[in-house]
Amino acid sequence: VQLVESGGGVVQPGGSLSLSCATSGFSLRAFTIHWVRQAPGKGLEWVALVSGHGHNKFYADSLKGRFTISKDDYNVFLQMHGLSFEDTATYYCVKEHMTGWPNLEHWGQGTLIAVSS
Amino acid sequence: SSELTQDPAVSVALGQTVRITCQGDSLRIFSASWYRQKPGQAPELVIYNESDRPSGIPARFSGSRSGNTASLTISGAQAEDEADYYCNSRDTNRIHVVFGGGTRLTVL
Repeated sequence: VQLVESGGGVVQPGGSLSLSCATSGFSLRAFTIHWVRQAPGKGLEWVALVSGHGHNKFYADSLKGRFTISKDDYNVFLQMHGLSFEDTATYYCVKEHMTGWPNLEHWGQGTLIAVSS
Repeated sequence: SSELTQDPAVSVALGQTVRITCQGDSLRIFSASWYRQKPGQAPELVIYNESDRPSGIPARFSGSRSGNTASLTISGAQAEDEADYYCNSRDTNRIHVVFGGGTRLTVL
């Protein structure tokens, strides 16, 4: 099982960015995928999830509708708009354990987003 | 929304037993999972469904729950167990995931 995030970088406040998570070693249709973020020196914060079939999507309240999660057969995406300094974090793509949520079994290495002017 | 509370820091002498706790109303209904995060690394699942261990996690790691408190116990802590530990669970009323603030474990 592998999850590889990409798309991080430096973005100005108010800007947009799209993250990708390339998956392999399992059927993406069979598992829910989550995005979890971690601000520098801080704890883990759940961001969003998308179900295996893609029909169910849920988001943390703190995002205020600025993020959109989506997927295709092999990749999961996170589109982010209206970025603020508080969105600066490492973003992890995570596959659920077979027993379901919130058991987050396989984590990517993370991709760093820095919101800076 | 639900919240999970953890002690910010805990220490244990090498070879001794340590318990890390996680409190929250959602734990009266739902089980907790636990994650270990070493510096510069992604988190790693060490306990799921309250007390199950993924393959490869040493047997010294165990989990339990009582009332609104979930616990991660490390029996015979090793130097390599020094890390940040996070609990998570389901939100009580919504399909959301909640994390505790994390506990930094120091092995003396």
